[in-house]
Amino acid sequence: EAQVTQNPRYLITVTGKKLTVTCSQNMNHEYMSWYRQDPGLGLRQIYYSMNVEVTDKGDVPEGYKVSRKEKRNFPLILESPSPNQTSLYFCASSFLRPGGELFFGEGSRLTVL
Amino acid sequence: SQQGEEDPQALSIQEGENATMNCSYKTSINNLQWYRQNSGRGLVHLILIRSNEREKHSGRLRVTLDTSKKSSSLLITASRAADTASYFCATDDSGTASKLTFGTGTRLQVTL
Repeated sequence: EAQVTQNPRYLITVTGKKLTVTCSQNMNHEYMSWYRQDPGLGLRQIYYSMNVEVTDKGDVPEGYKVSRKEKRNFPLILESPSPNQTSLYFCASSFLRPGGELFFGEGSRLTVL
Repeated sequence: SQQGEEDPQALSIQEGENATMNCSYKTSINNLQWYRQNSGRGLVHLILIRSNEREKHSGRLRVTLDTSKKSSSLLITASRAADTASYFCATDDSGTASKLTFGTGTRLQVTL
């Protein structure tokens, strides 16, 4: 089954404790992206990757890091989480640049205390 | 930055009625897409309409695009309770190659 898998789905952590949200897709997609979703603000792009070893900032990259060492994986790293990073995070992928359909993961709800 | 703005923000209708949601955007686009999100879940692609298309159908969905007005509408005919969800438009902007830009969504409630 074609899918984008994120883990963990739910996480409560404390300020400053490094965490990684993993994302993996099994569709051989070149393009992957991270979004955060906050009430009243819609989805905002954090980082994206056009291909292996190619990543770039989206609209709200501060406080986040990513890597793309393999085509299928695109982890999101919060080196020192802060309460304003409490949000619902989505990983998404598409076959080419995102002119086509984006496939989304189920989301990771993160709470930073 | 937000590109698409959906209207209304929330819509409540009865089963069997039609639901219409609108999306306005600001810049030139290659295409516009509509997505659905069940509460707290991942977004699911519904339909894509290219900038040179004016109307597209998929099952009970009808999408129109007016590039001169920079607007699109999504019509769901004969709504069902299972259509209850949030609906987002997303634009593939001609000037950028990096992302789809999503609006803030319309929350649709379909009651029995």
